[in-house]
Order: sequence, then structure tokens, then C-alpha cells
Amino acid sequence: AQKVTQAQTEISVVEKEDVTLDCVYETRDTTYYLFWYKQPPSGELVFLIRRNSFDEQNEISGRYSWNFQKSTSSFNFTITASQVVDSAVYFCALSEAQLRSNDYKLSFGAGTTVTVRA
Amino acid sequence: DGGITQSPKYLFRKEGQNVTLSCEQNLNHDAMYWYRQDPGQGLRLIYYSQIVNDFQKGDIAEGYSVSREKKESFPLTVTSAQKNPTAFYLCASLRGYSGANVLTFGAGSRLTVL
Repeated sequence: AQKVTQAQTEISVVEKEDVTLDCVYETRDTTYYLFWYKQPPSGELVFLIRRNSFDEQNEISGRYSWNFQKSTSSFNFTITASQVVDSAVYFCALSEAQLRSNDYKLSFGAGTTVTVRA
Repeated sequence: DGGITQSPKYLFRKEGQNVTLSCEQNLNHDAMYWYRQDPGQGLRLIYYSQIVNDFQKGDIAEGYSVSREKKESFPLTVTSAQKNPTAFYLCASLRGYSGANVLTFGAGSRLTVL
């Protein structure tokens, strides 16, 4: 069974501080995908980043960066120089390679609420 | 603009009443999903449909029903059998069946049972 754990329930920072969100996953699949979604107060989840299990290269995209380590089954996400608009709930998610009928597997973590204070 | 429209945004229900949440997408996506969100529990899958006239139960289907008569529509009915229906409900859609594809979400419907 797949499982995603976000141990941090809430994080509060002052604007311009960096924020790192932890995500640990469990899967028996060799091919899988990891995602981060953002849920602002409006409620709609917005896709941020995706990584496949064969690509452990860590990247930076604007103020976002991520650290994918298969050895520790972790997919951490960092917001650099946080802004008030970054305040949201952030979800880590895991899916297998093929979403087969009757065997759907897309797992979400419980989410981490980030509050950025001015 | 393409996207997912959920309605109503807020809904109040008396105990014992059924209520139907609407979800419409104009993205021509094949699969559609309903999630329930409770504080501290993340998103839990209620039902999903990968093709018209076919749908599958998710992890918490009891007390809910769905239909998929049209590709663009996937309404969710919260029945009186659902013991604790107060929650935030999110509809999503997906193009194709690859796990690499990104879910597109609606803005959600908040249901409160009085």
C-alpha cells in the first residue's frame, strides 16, 4: 500500500524566511511520481511540482526548490524568501505509473499549513 | 478558460436530507474524482470515474453515490446514510490514465449539516 506522511502540521514564519516542508513516502512500485500541491484559502488545489522516481536531480524553480532522495524516501520542498502570499496548505502526493481501472493509487499526505507573517 | 466548476460553494443541509454537489469540467478530461477534506486528514478519495457510465468506489464511499452520464459531468450525492457529512468536497479531473499526469481541481464545495 502507498502512504505519504507529512509530519509537520503547521509552520509559521516571518516574511523572507525560508520554509522547508517535509514529505516521506512508502511504495512498493519501482516507477512512481511525486507531487506538491498548494491550497490557498480560496480552496482550490494548485499543482506546483512533479518528480518521477528515476530522476533524483534536485532543481530550483524561482523561489521553489525540492530535494528528492530515494534512499530515504523523502521529497522535501523549500520556499525561499517566503511571502505572505505563500500562506496556504501544502500537500505532498504520490502516484504509481499507471492509474489502472479498479486499482487506483494516488495518495495524499495530511497537508502542512504554512503561515507567513508580515 | 478551461477548468472545473463546482457548485454550490456553500451548502447547508438538515439531518436526513440528501444533497447533490455538482461538478462540471470543460477540459475534455477522461477521468474525474471526488475527494473529501477534513482538517488534519488530507484528501480522501470518495469515488472516481475513468470513463462515461462507469465509476469505482474509493476509500470512503459509504453514504455517497455518483453518476457519470456525460464525460463533462460527475455529480456527487451525499445521502442521509453518511454519518458525518460536514466537510469540504473537492472534485478533480485527469487527462488520460498516466500517473504522471496532473490533477486539476475545482474550487470545492463546503457542506455543513445543521
